[in-house]
Amino acid sequence: AQSVTQLDSQVPVFEEAPVELRCNYSSSVSVYLFWYVQYPNQGLQLLLKYLSGSTLVKGINGFEAEFNKSQTSFHLRKPSVHISDTAEYFCAVKSSGDKLTFGTGTRLAVRP
Amino acid sequence: AAGVIQSPRHLIKEKRETATLKCYPIPRHDTVYWYQQGPGQDPQFLISFYEKMQSDKGSIPDRFSAQQFSDYHSELNMSSLELGDSALYFCASSLDLRDSEQYFGPGTRLTVT
Repeated sequence: AQSVTQLDSQVPVFEEAPVELRCNYSSSVSVYLFWYVQYPNQGLQLLLKYLSGSTLVKGINGFEAEFNKSQTSFHLRKPSVHISDTAEYFCAVKSSGDKLTFGTGTRLAVRP
Repeated sequence: AAGVIQSPRHLIKEKRETATLKCYPIPRHDTVYWYQQGPGQDPQFLISFYEKMQSDKGSIPDRFSAQQFSDYHSELNMSSLELGDSALYFCASSLDLRDSEQYFGPGTRLTVT
């Protein structure tokens, strides 16, 4: 079985400040890792994914994440956030089975 | 580029009624997944289909059934609706079971009153 933990349910940050959203996973097998963003009343949009290779993954909207196998983490970062980044962010894992398992989400609240 | 299409986008039903949600995957995608996202919750996997056969099953109630048709579109049928079924229902598709990426539709918001 696999699981995803997003320790922070809400992260408030000022505009243009850096941000890190934390994600830890547990799985007994190799996994694929994803970050999705959900804007209010909208669907899930893929930000970035780690399949293999370089542990630093760059995604859309200036986001990046680093896969750390020893710490079983896949934290999401952005060096300078904008008001428009305010949304719910979900970390997800997929392994040998075909379903995605999501974390409980982190609400990023960017203040002017 | 074509995306996953879900219909209807919004649906209001009363308790004990039935509902049918439809999902049209991206062309040439033969794998479909259904997820349920309750208010303030993370999406929970319900069921998936590959080549018109059920490939995996999650926390889907017995009152729900689903199938994938010959044109690869999928329908989620929900009977004896309960207030707790109010949620956003997402469909996602992928090229096949081995494809690591799932492409999500905009969701159907079901409200049970």
